[in-house]
Amino acid sequence: AQKITQTQPGMFVQEKEAVTLDCTYDTSDPSYGLFWYKQPSSGEMIFLIYQGSYDQQNATEGRYSLNFQKARKSANLVISASQLGDSAMYFCAMRELRDNYGQNFVFGPGTRLSVLP
Amino acid sequence: EAGVTQFPSHSVIEKGQTVTLRCDPISGHDNLYWYRRVMGKEIKFLLHFVKESKQDESGMPNNRFLAERTGGTYSTLKVQPAELEDSGVYFCASSQHHPRGDSPLHFGNGTRLTVT
Repeated sequence: AQKITQTQPGMFVQEKEAVTLDCTYDTSDPSYGLFWYKQPSSGEMIFLIYQGSYDQQNATEGRYSLNFQKARKSANLVISASQLGDSAMYFCAMRELRDNYGQNFVFGPGTRLSVLP
Repeated sequence: EAGVTQFPSHSVIEKGQTVTLRCDPISGHDNLYWYRRVMGKEIKFLLHFVKESKQDESGMPNNRFLAERTGGTYSTLKVQPAELEDSGVYFCASSQHHPRGDSPLHFGNGTRLTVT
């Protein structure tokens, strides 16, 4: 079963505008973490932002914020003031705890964001 | 601190040959993961080491893939014999152990494997 869903294969946004990338997840664990990663054309995976399931406030990191709606099981990424360098693939991921040591990450299919000048 | 490093960055081999990928995690990170992204598809989990032990290898596609992490430091992923469908980008990632498990993954730049 798909645990992470990203319904937008591709998105376009005008430079300097804000954009929301959707992510919904499925888990029965009471404790989990949600992450967003960026993969530019150069190929590396860059960690952007993290939200813990017990965190009361939405996570923010500079121009990135995570719109966490626990009841809806959604963790959308909001990028404000888009820049040309934001063009990349964006992956939503969920950490599941297996035991005291083990943890596993499940990735969504990704959304390709293109920022237009 | 040095990040996760992977070697080689690119590898082109013929079907039936053997390839070994290497990953050096961030020093002190007990958790090491291998992932694979086949062209145009999502990132798939392959396996997870905690120190030198295989915590979860449920994502390994078949017995042509062998991963090791001797001494709990660097890891190797060997594909023998390689098939065309093995082509893709192989990512390695590491993370610290944290009591709440909040630590994010730190990724390497990946190894792009092409099997011809």
